[in-house]
Amino acid sequence: QKEVEQNSGPLSVPEGAIASLNCTYSDRGSQSFFWYRQYSGKSPELIMFIYSNGDKEDGRFTAQLNKASQYVSLLIRDSQPSDSATYLCAVFHGSSNTGKLIFGQGTTLQVKP
Amino acid sequence: DGGITQSPKYLFRKEGQNVTLSCEQNLNHDAMYWYRQDPGQGLRLIYYSQIVNDFQKGDIAEGYSVSREKKESFPLTVTSAQKNPTAFYLCASSWRLGAFFGQGTRLTVV
Repeated sequence: QKEVEQNSGPLSVPEGAIASLNCTYSDRGSQSFFWYRQYSGKSPELIMFIYSNGDKEDGRFTAQLNKASQYVSLLIRDSQPSDSATYLCAVFHGSSNTGKLIFGQGTTLQVKP
Repeated sequence: DGGITQSPKYLFRKEGQNVTLSCEQNLNHDAMYWYRQDPGQGLRLIYYSQIVNDFQKGDIAEGYSVSREKKESFPLTVTSAQKNPTAFYLCASSWRLGAFFGQGTRLTVV
């Protein structure tokens, strides 16, 4: 079982729709969860982080965390063509002194005008 | 400017050569990471370091080596033992609010 799993996609949504990206993780003790966006040929950029169960909203982005189900998701409202990218889920495994940041394989999002 | 600097942006390696990728950060972060990304793939962890003079192997450490003599610097050496080194290499530094990446180094074997 992979430590962090994502559906590689591509996920295709029309402009203006809600895009829903999902991620599951294996380490039940994980405390910190992150979403990154990566455009082709570029390095990833951090768009959201979440530590507590529930929802966290930032503009058009909402991160959702369910630790009991070991599930984290990212919702993008009013999707724009500029949102077309690969979205990477990352989970911090272990203690703050010895832990490591593990990434999923990423989900490719295509927003069609 | 605060940030993470990787150099060079492009690097070409001949068969049997060792090459070193540079990563410097001025964010005062304790943790630093090296990842490898192959086309269409996610990020795979090579090595990571939480404090100076200490580092741990990630999932694909074979054929790579690192050092962490200073908080600001975490260079990665790709040795001749790494048989398929062509990839995009990403360095990151991390605080509890997430990891921040350099621009990456594209390594190609010629």
